[in-house]
Amino acid sequence: EPEVTQTPSHQVTQMGQEVILRCVPISNHLYFYWYRQILGQKVEFLVSFYNNEISEKSEIFDDQFSVERPDGSNFTLKIRSTKLEDSAMYFCASKLDGGRQETQYFGPGTRLLVL
Amino acid sequence: SQQGEEDPQALSIQEGENATMNCSYKTSINNLQWYRQNSGRGLVHLILIRSNEREKHSGRLRVTLDTSKKSSSLLITASRAADTASYFCFFILDSNYQLIWGAGTKLIIKP
Repeated sequence: EPEVTQTPSHQVTQMGQEVILRCVPISNHLYFYWYRQILGQKVEFLVSFYNNEISEKSEIFDDQFSVERPDGSNFTLKIRSTKLEDSAMYFCASKLDGGRQETQYFGPGTRLLVL
Repeated sequence: SQQGEEDPQALSIQEGENATMNCSYKTSINNLQWYRQNSGRGLVHLILIRSNEREKHSGRLRVTLDTSKKSSSLLITASRAADTASYFCFFILDSNYQLIWGAGTKLIIKP
């Protein structure tokens, strides 16, 4: 069964460094999402992406964040200058089409630790 | 706040018992989904219920949706130790397509 994959599974970085989190959505899906979950807290929406552009973003998704679909298969989240509070689990999700009734399929997550 | 509220925050029951978790929301939604997260791992989709549905079953899972009360419940029957996880509701607001997650219920099944 097709699945969303994410790499790396864990990343440790120094404050101020740039990180790129990678996701490979399900191949025929058209809508892509990033979420984060700070340890012990709820899942928070970051951004949605369709047709090579951001369709929605939350207040969390500030200028430090960017997303890209560089090659038609990968979907990346870049954090330009990490802060301690960026430490969280980051989930990528994809969906076949834009219907609100469609299920999003989640990757296993990347655990980011900023020191 | 448009956030989803879930209760209870934590639930500990004996194996074999039924577990019920609730999710409430504030404005109109198109559908509501339930996800499970095992400790430190990814989210797994369990079930989706549409706003025109009142009840849905999948194996030992039963989900209800009461749009007049703006609430949904997830019932796990005959619980097993492997059901130990956090359970989240997730919905999309009709008005602005905002994506909302509930705070989650941590379920512990004691053998």
